[in-house]
This record gives sequence, structure tokens and C-alpha cells, in this order.
Amino acid sequence: GIQVEQSPPDLILQEGANSTLRCNFSDSVNNLQWFHQNPWGQLINLFYIPSGTKQNGRLSATTVATERYSLLYISSSQTTDSGVYFCAVERDSNDYKLSFGAGTTVTVRA
Amino acid sequence: DVKVTQSSRYLVKRTGEKVFLECVQDMDHENMFWYRQDPGLGLRLIYFSYDVKMKEKGDIPEGYSVSREKKERFSLILESASTNQTSMYLCASRMPGYTGELFFGEGSRLTVL
Repeated sequence: GIQVEQSPPDLILQEGANSTLRCNFSDSVNNLQWFHQNPWGQLINLFYIPSGTKQNGRLSATTVATERYSLLYISSSQTTDSGVYFCAVERDSNDYKLSFGAGTTVTVRA
Repeated sequence: DVKVTQSSRYLVKRTGEKVFLECVQDMDHENMFWYRQDPGLGLRLIYFSYDVKMKEKGDIPEGYSVSREKKERFSLILESASTNQTSMYLCASRMPGYTGELFFGEGSRLTVL
């Protein structure tokens, strides 16, 4: 199956700092999503981004499909940004399986 | 608002017990999924269903079964719980097609003693 690697595994930030999370994948994909899991376990979809760049407030994401990686940017981090960030990919429309990376655990300190 | 509801947030069961985890979505989604989440391993797909009464094995189906009798409900069954099934279980749903945004429930944390 498709391999998904996320880096770094852990990230500790001071409030207000910027950061970049990376997701590498082993094959071409038609679906790539970023999720945030809050400390209570709820997973929220942040971006659907198989290619290109998107922004939502202080978060933005870029996927370079030809080079098989995606980046998630957090700017002016806040304590509420803490949690685990997952990248998930799907190869084609008949796959039905999003493959998840192991996640990046982000801790933002006040 | 989009809603995926899992029946229990926390369960404690004994080895050998039969366990039912229920998931209900109110978005008329065709695809539903069960994942388990363990530290350092991310989310791993157990089973999915692309339509009513349809089911497909995911990456780690051993020890689990599922039921999808109605479109809105997808159940995960542990026929005989074992301690290595202690985990966080997450249900998700989406419309068909690879562009579908995935919506998750709040998770069910199962402890098997």
C-alpha cells in the first residue's frame, strides 16, 4: 500500500511562533487531506488539498503532487493549535482507503 | 451541522466478551469507515462500507466484523475481545468519490481487561 511519512513526530512551540509540518507519500494520489485531532480526541478536517495551495485563517497548506509531498503551515500559533496533525492520502477513486501518516504532535506553550 | 455519533466514549470490557461499537451519521453519506488509533501508529483502517449491506476489509480486519443494515448506521463488532484490542476506535463517513471530505465521530476508547 501507499506509504505516508510525517515529520517531525513532535513539535514544541512558543505561542506566536510559526511552524511547518511535512507529509511525504510514496505514490501519486488523487486525494490528500490534513486533519487536526484535539486533546479530547476529535478529528477535524482542515484541508482537502491533492495539489496546489489553500489558506484558512492562520493555517495554510501546499501540495506538490509531482514531488509527492505536502506542507502544512501554522502561523502565529495559539495554545488551541495543540494536538496531533495527520496527513491522509488516497490513490484513486476506487481505492476507498485513506492511508494515514503517524501524525505530528504539536504542543503550543503560553 | 454535520454529525457522526459514536455510541460510547469509554468502555471497559473483559477478555472474551462480545463488544458492539455503534456509529450513526446524519449526512446521508454512502461511505462509512472504522479505524483504530494507537500511539505511534496513526490511524489504521479496520473495515469500510461503501453502501448499505456492503462491507470490505481494511488493513487490519482480524478479530473484527461489521454490520451495515441501514445507511446511517455502521457497527463494529468484537466477537471475543482480547487485550490487544484495547485502543481508540474512530468512525468516519463521507460521500462517495475520492474528493469526499471525511467526517469523524468523537471516538470510543475501549479497554479490555
